[in-house]
Parts: sequence; structure tokens; C-alpha cells
Amino acid sequence: GQSLEQPSEVTAVEGAIVQINCTYQTSGFYGLSWYQQHDGGAPTFLSYNALDGLEETGRFSSFLSRSDSYGYLLLQELQMKDSASYFCAVRDYNQGGKLIFGQGTELSVKP
Amino acid sequence: NAGVTQTPKFQVLKTGQSMTLQCAQDMNHNSMYWYRQDPGMGLRLIYYSASEGTTDKGEVPNGYNVSRLNKREFSLRLESAAPSQTSVYFCASSQDRLATNEKLFFGSGTQLSVL
Repeated sequence: GQSLEQPSEVTAVEGAIVQINCTYQTSGFYGLSWYQQHDGGAPTFLSYNALDGLEETGRFSSFLSRSDSYGYLLLQELQMKDSASYFCAVRDYNQGGKLIFGQGTELSVKP
Repeated sequence: NAGVTQTPKFQVLKTGQSMTLQCAQDMNHNSMYWYRQDPGMGLRLIYYSASEGTTDKGEVPNGYNVSRLNKREFSLRLESAAPSQTSVYFCASSQDRLATNEKLFFGSGTQLSVL
């Protein structure tokens, strides 16, 4: 089967940089996605990596290493509004392309 | 543009009661999904529909049924609710389940309590 591991919670201060790691196991890997969820609301898409390397979107960047089955989400210049849960997700080709989510990392940004 | 709309937002059931969660999307997406979210468990896939007329089981399908009524609508039915089904339910849609850069659009969720 497939599994994803990410830290359950991370705390950082406003203006800092924080990295949220995700390791995964799948039988057929398509790519790694990241989603943000505020206060139990609708998760929203942040980024997607299919190839090795870093993808940058404003203050957020996402990295993937396929050989290490590892990725991370990097948040720079943290703001209070970045306090949320962050989920990594993988699409398993051998599981009909289903998108499977990790358990989520709760990020708390302190002043 | 409403995106993905779920109803109801809140529901309380007694054990053994049945109910249907409704979901509709107006983005002309092919694929639709039902997830449940429990504390510390992330989002777990219940059922999905790759296209109109097809449905497939996800990670936790037991106790649920689904209907892809048309391209817009995908409903989730609990035939005989159990306390273990107390959860927050999210419907989602995407353009194409197999697209490599596919992203999901989520509804705002249904908070269900089974007493």
C-alpha cells in the first residue's frame, strides 16, 4: 500500500522560515502535492511536484526528491495568517490514480 | 462561480438513521471525490468517481454508498449511521483524475455527528 509521513505540528515565529517534510511510500508514483487548510475549512491547493527539484510560488516553495521518496514545503517570511494545517498528498498510479493524503502538519506562527 | 457546494453543513443523526450528503460542482470537472477527516487522521478517501457513470472505492468505503447522478452531482449515502461515522466530510472535484498536475477543489465540508 501507500503511506505518507509528516510531522504532526511545527511552531515558528513571524518572519521566519519553516520547512515541513513529507516522506512517502507508493507502488506507482505520479507526483507530490501540498494543500493548506485553515481551521477545518476547505483544503486549498498550494503546489505540485512531479520532477525532482524546487518549485517556487511566491513565499511558498516545494521540493521533491524522487530517489529519496521525500519532499518538503518551505514557507518564507512567515505571517500569522500562515497558521494552518498543511497536507502532503501523493497520487498512486497503481491505485487508479487516487490522491492519498498525509495526516497533516499543524503550523503555529507566533508573534 | 460557486465551485464545489456541499449540503448540509451540519447534521446530527441517531444510530441507525440514514441520510444523503449532496455535492455539486459547476466547473465542468470530470472527477469527483468524497473524503472524511478525523482528528489526527488527515483526509481519507471514501469513494471517487473518475467520470460520469463510474464510481470506485477508496480507502474507507465500508458503510457508505455513492451515486454519480450526472456530471455535476455526486452524493454520499449512509444507509445505517454508526457513531464511528462521526466526522467531517469533504467533497472535492478535479478536471481529470489521471492528469499529472491535477489539483482538487474542495467544498466547505459537512460536520456529521452520530449519537
